[in-house]
Amino acid sequence: DAGVTQSPTHLIKTRGQQVTLRCSPKSGHDTVSWYQQALGQGPQFIFQYYEEEERQRGNFPDRFSGHQFPNYSSELNVNALLLGDSALYLCASSPDGTGRPYEQYFGPGTRLTVT
Amino acid sequence: GEDVEQSLFLSVREGDSSVINCTYTDSSSTYLYWYKQEPGAGLQLLTYIFSNMDMKQDQRLTVLLNKKDKHLSLRIADTQTGDSAIYFCAESTTNAGKSTFGDGTTLTVKP
Repeated sequence: DAGVTQSPTHLIKTRGQQVTLRCSPKSGHDTVSWYQQALGQGPQFIFQYYEEEERQRGNFPDRFSGHQFPNYSSELNVNALLLGDSALYLCASSPDGTGRPYEQYFGPGTRLTVT
Repeated sequence: GEDVEQSLFLSVREGDSSVINCTYTDSSSTYLYWYKQEPGAGLQLLTYIFSNMDMKQDQRLTVLLNKKDKHLSLRIADTQTGDSAIYFCAESTTNAGKSTFGDGTTLTVKP
């Protein structure tokens, strides 16, 4: 059983560009959350998707948007990239639409570098 | 808003016990967690505790919760070199999904 997978593993973009990160949840999971982890810091909650809708959002600007597909996979889009967007982006999935964090599994992350 | 704080570094000798401490500010925190992150890897949930519990033990791991002081600790018995990693404390309320993390404690285990 594959766990949470994310692609790509690493990405380098230029300031002002746009980026799309992808996540496939663990089998049987239908809820996907995205986190941003800057170097030396803990993860910060960006948003969560359930039933193809954004259910909850953290303190991130509208440049950060997402999507969930019928197969529960998800994308994170970031527009007008800033140097400060350089971070490890983590995807987490959980089952049964509950979003219960103690049943949350994390992917390995996508390392985004903005130059 | 919610805040979670941890000391940044801890160094222990192999075979000793490690105790990692965490404080949080949100009195409505319902779930408290400990995650482990190894270099280049995502987060691995080690254990969690509900706010109506004082203690939880799981093999070498013991979690203590002092709700009055909003203090959480993780004790690792018989610490091994493979336990070297960054340990994150996190909390959440009943709001589905959103967890607030501390900045992590880097545990170094010396042989």
